[in-house]
Amino acid sequence: GENVEQHPSTLSVQEGDSAVIKCTYSDSASNYFPWYKQELGKRPQLIIDIRSNVGEKKDQRIAVTLNKTAKHFSLHITETQPEDSAVYFCAASINFGNEKLTFGTGTRLTIIP
Amino acid sequence: NAGVTQTPKFRILKIGQSMTLQCAQDMNHNYMYWYRQDPGMGLKLIYYSVGAGITDKGEVPNGYNVSRSTTEDFPLRLELAAPSQTSVYFCASSYESRGNYEQYFGPGTRLTVT
Repeated sequence: GENVEQHPSTLSVQEGDSAVIKCTYSDSASNYFPWYKQELGKRPQLIIDIRSNVGEKKDQRIAVTLNKTAKHFSLHITETQPEDSAVYFCAASINFGNEKLTFGTGTRLTIIP
Repeated sequence: NAGVTQTPKFRILKIGQSMTLQCAQDMNHNYMYWYRQDPGMGLKLIYYSVGAGITDKGEVPNGYNVSRSTTEDFPLRLELAAPSQTSVYFCASSYESRGNYEQYFGPGTRLTVT
């Protein structure tokens, strides 16, 4: 089955700097790659996603890039703010998220004021 | 819309006891899922359902059972609880639609087995 690895497990950045979180996946049939944000004690919420026919997607300060050849995708957060502090999870699916999403182990991002 | 709701919020079970975690959604989503989240780990899929009457195993189904008699409800049954089932359980739902594959999560149930 699919295996998703996520790095780093913890990340601290100064407010205003950029943060990058990286994931690799094992199943070349995967075609959907969402990123979820989970604040302490809260439920995960989708922040951005990308399909395999797109190399990059941007939404304001958040962007995701996908390299299908390397089976690698990354989350980029620019101009970080204190409210960006949370745990971020990447995931991969072979059926556009319907049915089995395989999650990475998460990155705890801390924004230092 | 209430979205995805889960009950109870917290529960402590003794080893060997059984319980049902309730999950309901009012968004008419056809897909529903149960995940568990262990401390410092990602979410692991326990069971999922593609519609009423249809369920299938995820990555970690042992010790759990599910049913899906209606579109709205997807209860998770724990039989003979074990300490290894101590976790936070999230229910989620989604619908098949072009361009939108988001899974909507419930608030979670924190279960402790002692």
